[in-house]
Amino acid sequence: DQQVKQNSPSLSVQEGRISILNCDYTNSMFDYFLWYKKYPAEGPTFLISISSIKDKNEDGRFTVFLNKSAKHLSLHIVPSQPGDSAVYFCAASEGRGGGADGLTFGKGTHLIIQP
Amino acid sequence: EAGVAQSPRYKIIEKRQSVAFWCNPISGHATLYWYQQILGQGPKLLIQFQNNGVVDDSQLPKDRFSAERLKGVDSTLKIQPAKLEDSAVYLCASSGIESEAFFGQGTRLTVV
Repeated sequence: DQQVKQNSPSLSVQEGRISILNCDYTNSMFDYFLWYKKYPAEGPTFLISISSIKDKNEDGRFTVFLNKSAKHLSLHIVPSQPGDSAVYFCAASEGRGGGADGLTFGKGTHLIIQP
Repeated sequence: EAGVAQSPRYKIIEKRQSVAFWCNPISGHATLYWYQQILGQGPKLLIQFQNNGVVDDSQLPKDRFSAERLKGVDSTLKIQPAKLEDSAVYLCASSGIESEAFFGQGTRLTVV
Protein backbone atom coordinates (compact mmCIF):
# COMPACT_ATOMS: atom_id res chain seq x y z
CA ASP A 1 0.00 0.00 0.00
CA GLN A 2 1.63 3.21 -1.20
CA GLN A 3 1.43 5.94 1.38
CA VAL A 4 2.92 8.59 -0.91
CA LYS A 5 1.69 8.69 -4.49
CA GLN A 6 2.99 10.54 -7.49
CA ASN A 7 0.55 9.62 -10.23
CA SER A 8 2.39 11.24 -13.13
CA PRO A 9 5.46 9.20 -14.10
CA SER A 10 6.57 11.96 -16.47
CA LEU A 11 5.84 15.58 -17.31
CA SER A 12 7.02 17.65 -20.25
CA VAL A 13 7.09 21.46 -19.98
CA GLN A 14 8.41 24.18 -22.22
CA GLU A 15 11.35 26.25 -21.00
CA GLY A 16 10.17 29.42 -19.29
CA ARG A 17 6.73 28.05 -18.40
CA ILE A 18 5.51 26.80 -15.03
CA SER A 19 6.09 23.18 -13.99
CA ILE A 20 3.60 21.73 -11.50
CA LEU A 21 4.37 18.38 -9.89
CA ASN A 22 1.73 16.74 -7.73
CA CYS A 23 1.84 14.39 -4.77
CA ASP A 24 -0.87 12.73 -2.67
CA TYR A 25 -0.49 10.93 0.65
CA THR A 26 -2.70 8.65 2.70
CA ASN A 27 -1.04 8.59 6.13
CA SER A 28 -2.58 11.30 8.30
CA MET A 29 0.36 11.02 10.71
CA PHE A 30 2.72 12.58 8.17
CA ASP A 31 3.55 16.10 9.26
CA TYR A 32 6.67 17.00 7.31
CA PHE A 33 7.00 16.92 3.54
CA LEU A 34 10.00 17.25 1.26
CA TRP A 35 10.86 17.33 -2.41
CA TYR A 36 14.08 15.78 -3.66
CA LYS A 37 15.59 16.10 -7.12
CA LYS A 38 17.60 13.31 -8.71
CA TYR A 39 19.89 13.30 -11.72
CA PRO A 40 20.95 9.98 -13.32
CA ALA A 41 23.72 8.14 -11.44
CA GLU A 42 23.52 10.56 -8.52
CA GLY A 43 21.81 10.40 -5.15
CA PRO A 44 18.71 12.50 -4.46
CA THR A 45 19.39 16.09 -3.42
CA PHE A 46 17.12 18.06 -1.13
CA LEU A 47 15.12 20.80 -2.82
CA ILE A 48 12.48 22.23 -0.52
CA SER A 49 10.34 21.19 2.45
CA ILE A 50 7.17 22.19 4.28
CA SER A 51 5.83 21.55 7.73
CA SER A 52 2.19 20.64 8.22
CA ILE A 53 1.61 23.87 10.15
CA LYS A 54 2.15 25.81 6.92
CA ASP A 55 0.35 25.77 3.59
CA LYS A 56 3.08 27.35 1.47
CA ASN A 57 6.85 27.56 1.41
CA GLU A 58 8.86 29.43 -1.19
CA ASP A 59 12.53 29.32 -2.14
CA GLY A 60 13.51 31.22 -5.25
CA ARG A 61 11.89 29.61 -8.28
CA PHE A 62 10.47 26.76 -6.18
CA THR A 63 7.24 26.86 -4.18
CA VAL A 64 5.60 23.99 -2.36
CA PHE A 65 1.89 24.10 -1.49
CA LEU A 66 0.28 21.84 1.09
CA ASN A 67 -3.46 21.10 1.35
CA LYS A 68 -3.81 19.00 4.50
CA SER A 69 -7.54 18.42 4.18
CA ALA A 70 -7.03 16.95 0.71
CA LYS A 71 -3.76 15.23 1.70
CA HIS A 72 -2.18 16.80 -1.35
CA LEU A 73 0.95 18.79 -2.04
CA SER A 74 2.41 20.29 -5.16
CA LEU A 75 5.73 21.71 -6.29
CA HIS A 76 5.72 24.72 -8.61
CA ILE A 77 8.81 25.68 -10.58
CA VAL A 78 8.67 29.11 -12.23
CA PRO A 79 10.20 29.73 -14.68
CA SER A 80 11.29 26.24 -15.72
CA GLN A 81 14.88 25.92 -16.93
CA PRO A 82 16.69 23.15 -18.85
CA GLY A 83 18.70 22.25 -15.73
CA ASP A 84 15.45 21.40 -13.98
CA SER A 85 15.12 18.26 -16.10
CA ALA A 86 15.41 15.46 -13.53
CA VAL A 87 13.33 13.01 -11.51
CA TYR A 88 11.50 14.66 -8.63
CA PHE A 89 10.58 12.65 -5.55
CA CYS A 90 7.96 13.64 -3.03
CA ALA A 91 8.73 12.36 0.48
CA ALA A 92 7.04 12.51 3.87
CA SER A 93 7.83 11.74 7.48
CA GLU A 94 6.05 11.62 10.81
CA GLY A 95 8.82 13.66 12.37
CA ARG A 96 10.96 16.60 11.46
CA GLY A 97 12.95 14.42 9.06
CA GLY A 98 16.29 15.41 10.44
CA GLY A 99 17.30 13.14 13.27
CA ALA A 100 13.74 11.87 13.44
CA ASP A 101 11.83 9.35 11.38
CA GLY A 102 12.99 8.09 8.03
CA LEU A 103 11.30 9.20 4.84
CA THR A 104 8.54 7.55 2.81
CA PHE A 105 9.02 8.32 -0.87
CA GLY A 106 6.74 8.39 -3.89
CA LYS A 107 7.78 6.73 -7.14
CA GLY A 108 8.96 9.98 -8.69
CA THR A 109 8.01 12.17 -11.64
CA HIS A 110 10.42 12.60 -14.52
CA LEU A 111 10.33 16.28 -15.50
CA ILE A 112 11.52 17.12 -18.99
CA ILE A 113 12.07 20.76 -19.88
CA GLN A 114 11.86 21.32 -23.62
CA PRO A 115 13.71 24.23 -25.24
CA GLU B 1 31.82 20.22 3.56
CA ALA B 2 32.36 16.66 2.32
CA GLY B 3 29.20 14.78 1.38
CA VAL B 4 28.07 11.24 2.18
CA ALA B 5 30.62 8.78 0.79
CA GLN B 6 29.63 5.33 -0.43
CA SER B 7 31.58 2.46 -1.93
CA PRO B 8 31.67 0.63 -4.18
CA ARG B 9 29.71 2.51 -6.88
CA TYR B 10 28.84 -0.66 -8.76
CA LYS B 11 28.80 -4.35 -7.88
CA ILE B 12 27.81 -7.43 -9.87
CA ILE B 13 27.45 -10.74 -8.04
CA GLU B 14 25.85 -14.10 -8.62
CA LYS B 15 22.77 -15.11 -6.66
CA ARG B 16 23.52 -16.78 -3.33
CA GLN B 17 26.79 -14.85 -3.01
CA SER B 18 27.31 -12.26 -0.29
CA VAL B 19 28.06 -8.56 -0.68
CA ALA B 20 28.82 -5.60 1.58
CA PHE B 21 28.41 -1.86 1.10
CA TRP B 22 30.16 0.87 3.03
CA CYS B 23 28.99 4.37 3.98
CA ASN B 24 30.72 7.31 5.63
CA PRO B 25 28.21 10.01 6.64
CA ILE B 26 28.72 13.74 6.81
CA SER B 27 30.90 14.59 9.78
CA GLY B 28 28.87 15.24 12.91
CA HIS B 29 25.65 13.71 11.61
CA ALA B 30 24.24 11.42 14.28
CA THR B 31 21.53 9.83 12.15
CA LEU B 32 22.35 7.43 9.32
CA TYR B 33 19.90 5.73 6.97
CA TRP B 34 20.13 2.95 4.40
CA TYR B 35 17.57 2.99 1.58
CA GLN B 36 16.92 0.52 -1.23
CA GLN B 37 15.78 1.91 -4.59
CA ILE B 38 14.49 -0.63 -7.08
CA LEU B 39 14.27 0.52 -10.69
CA GLY B 40 11.13 2.60 -11.26
CA GLN B 41 10.42 2.99 -7.55
CA GLY B 42 11.19 5.56 -4.91
CA PRO B 43 13.78 4.84 -2.22
CA LYS B 44 12.54 2.56 0.58
CA LEU B 45 13.95 2.87 4.09
CA LEU B 46 15.74 -0.28 5.23
CA ILE B 47 17.28 0.82 8.51
CA GLN B 48 17.89 3.98 10.54
CA PHE B 49 20.64 4.45 13.11
CA GLN B 50 20.90 7.14 15.76
CA ASN B 51 24.61 7.16 16.65
CA ASN B 52 25.34 3.42 16.97
CA GLY B 53 21.82 2.36 17.98
CA VAL B 54 19.08 1.11 15.66
CA VAL B 55 15.99 3.36 15.59
CA ASP B 56 13.97 1.59 12.90
CA ASP B 57 14.70 -1.65 11.03
CA SER B 58 11.09 -2.69 10.46
CA GLN B 59 11.55 -2.97 6.67
CA LEU B 60 14.91 -4.74 6.74
CA PRO B 61 14.69 -8.39 5.54
CA LYS B 62 16.57 -9.70 8.53
CA ASP B 63 16.94 -13.23 7.22
CA ARG B 64 19.46 -11.99 4.66
CA PHE B 65 20.24 -8.34 5.34
CA SER B 66 22.30 -6.98 8.22
CA ALA B 67 23.73 -3.57 9.02
CA GLU B 68 25.99 -2.16 11.67
CA ARG B 69 27.38 1.18 12.79
CA LEU B 70 29.72 0.08 15.52
CA LYS B 71 31.44 3.34 16.41
CA GLY B 72 28.55 5.61 15.53
CA VAL B 73 30.25 6.94 12.42
CA ASP B 74 30.56 4.81 9.28
CA SER B 75 28.29 1.91 8.51
CA THR B 76 28.18 -1.30 6.50
CA LEU B 77 25.18 -3.04 4.96
CA LYS B 78 25.51 -6.73 4.11
CA ILE B 79 23.40 -9.10 2.06
CA GLN B 80 23.93 -12.83 2.50
CA PRO B 81 22.84 -14.70 0.45
CA ALA B 82 21.77 -12.38 -2.36
CA LYS B 83 18.67 -12.99 -4.46
CA LEU B 84 17.82 -11.71 -7.92
CA GLU B 85 15.23 -9.33 -6.45
CA ASP B 86 17.95 -7.58 -4.42
CA SER B 87 19.15 -5.88 -7.60
CA ALA B 88 18.76 -2.19 -6.79
CA VAL B 89 20.59 0.98 -5.88
CA TYR B 90 21.49 1.11 -2.20
CA LEU B 91 21.53 4.66 -0.90
CA CYS B 92 23.05 5.85 2.33
CA ALA B 93 21.94 9.14 3.86
CA SER B 94 22.74 11.09 6.98
CA SER B 95 21.18 13.96 8.88
CA GLY B 96 22.04 16.19 11.78
CA ILE B 97 19.80 17.84 14.34
CA GLU B 98 17.00 19.69 12.56
CA SER B 99 18.51 19.04 9.13
CA GLU B 100 17.20 17.26 6.08
CA ALA B 101 18.73 13.99 4.99
CA PHE B 102 21.71 14.21 2.63
CA PHE B 103 22.21 11.28 0.29
CA GLY B 104 25.30 9.62 -1.13
CA GLN B 105 25.62 8.63 -4.80
CA GLY B 106 24.55 5.07 -4.05
CA THR B 107 25.83 1.60 -4.88
CA ARG B 108 24.22 -0.08 -7.88
CA LEU B 109 23.95 -3.82 -7.19
CA THR B 110 23.20 -6.30 -9.95
CA VAL B 111 22.50 -9.90 -8.96
CA VAL B 112 22.76 -12.38 -11.84
